[in-house]
This record gives sequence, structure tokens and C-alpha cells, in this order.
Amino acid sequence: QKEVEQNSGPLSVPEGAIASLNCTYSDRGSQSFFWYRQYSGKSPELIMSIYSNGDKEDGRFTAQLNKASQYVSLLIRDSQPSDSATYLCAVNRANYGGSQGNLIFGKGTKLSVKP
Amino acid sequence: EPEVTQTPSHQVTQMGQEVILRCVPISNHLYFYWYRQILGQKVEFLVSFYNNEISEKSEIFDDQFSVERPDGSNFTLKIRSTKLEDSAMYFCASILRLAQETQYFGPGTRLLVL
Repeated sequence: QKEVEQNSGPLSVPEGAIASLNCTYSDRGSQSFFWYRQYSGKSPELIMSIYSNGDKEDGRFTAQLNKASQYVSLLIRDSQPSDSATYLCAVNRANYGGSQGNLIFGKGTKLSVKP
Repeated sequence: EPEVTQTPSHQVTQMGQEVILRCVPISNHLYFYWYRQILGQKVEFLVSFYNNEISEKSEIFDDQFSVERPDGSNFTLKIRSTKLEDSAMYFCASILRLAQETQYFGPGTRLLVL
């Protein structure tokens, strides 16, 4: 069973702080890794994608991938109240092993940024 | 910027009725997906579709479900005889190619089965 695990939270941080979100996955064939943000009742919105080991930065967001440890994380610097949402980690096998690219999602971590 | 659209945004139906959920993927995309999210639970993969046929499906996607691309633009999900447990948000997504490609999601259809 391919699983993606996340701490469900809630994770509460003060405005301006760094929020750290973590995710582990079980399928070593996973090739692509994504962080989505989901507001209540809305669809997932892509925040970051990462495909290679190491860090990838985009504005206030940094994704970190460690394939050996099967671990991916998201750091949000200078957290804002508008960042309050559920953050979904998703992985896929892309075109590896016949996969057709379907995403496997974690349950999400609920982040609350307090003003 | 191109986006995935879905209709209707909300659908209420009686148990046992058929529903069709519609999606218009991004126009040059080749791979299409349906996912569902039961309230309070994780997003779950249902089915992928490529070259006018199902390419992969999950255990959830049983004989009550079908997908179709009837006219080259729409991508539909049909549930033949809805059950209470089919109540969920249904999301459509599409991508141009498999490798290192981000799936962009439509706004979803909230289905409520009474």
C-alpha cells in the first residue's frame, strides 16, 4: 500500500514565524513531489513541486527533498494569516513503472497563523 | 492563464440516481484525472484517462463509475446509481505530459447524495 503520511496538526505559529511542514512517503518509486494548499471547501492549489534531492526555494516557500529518507518538507518563512490553510503533500511515480501519473495525497496538515 | 473548469459546482441527488459531473481540461493537455475528497478526508485518486481510454483506476472506481471524453473538450465522470457514501467533492485535473508535470485541479463539484 503506497502511503503518504503527514502530521494532521493543527500547527499553530505566530505571524512572521517560520512554519515547518513534514511528509514521509512509502513508495521508493516516487519521482515527483508536490505541496498543495487547500482552503476549506476549495480545490488544491499548487505551492511547490520538487523532483531532485535538496532544497528548492520560491519566494517565502522552501521545499526540501530527501529520497534516501523518503522525506519531503515545506518551510514557510514570514508566515501570514492568509497562509492559514491545510497543506497537502502529494507524490507520484510520473512515468516510472507504467504509472500514469496519479497523485497519492497525504491527509494534510492544518496550519493556523495567528496575528 | 488556462484553467480547468468543472460543472456543476454543486449537485444534490437522491440515492440510486445517476449523476454526470463535467470537466473541461486545459485545452492542449493529454492526461486527465478524477479525484474525490470525502469531507474531512484526504484527496483520493479515482481514474486516469489518456488517448481516449482509461489508463489507470483505483479500487474506488468500480462498475458504478465511468468516464468519457465525448467531444474532444469535455471529460465526464458518471456515477450510475449513487450511494450515500458517494457524497464528496470531485476534482478533475489535467496535465500535458507525465514526466515532472504538475497537475492543476479544477474548482470541484460538491456532490450530496440524500
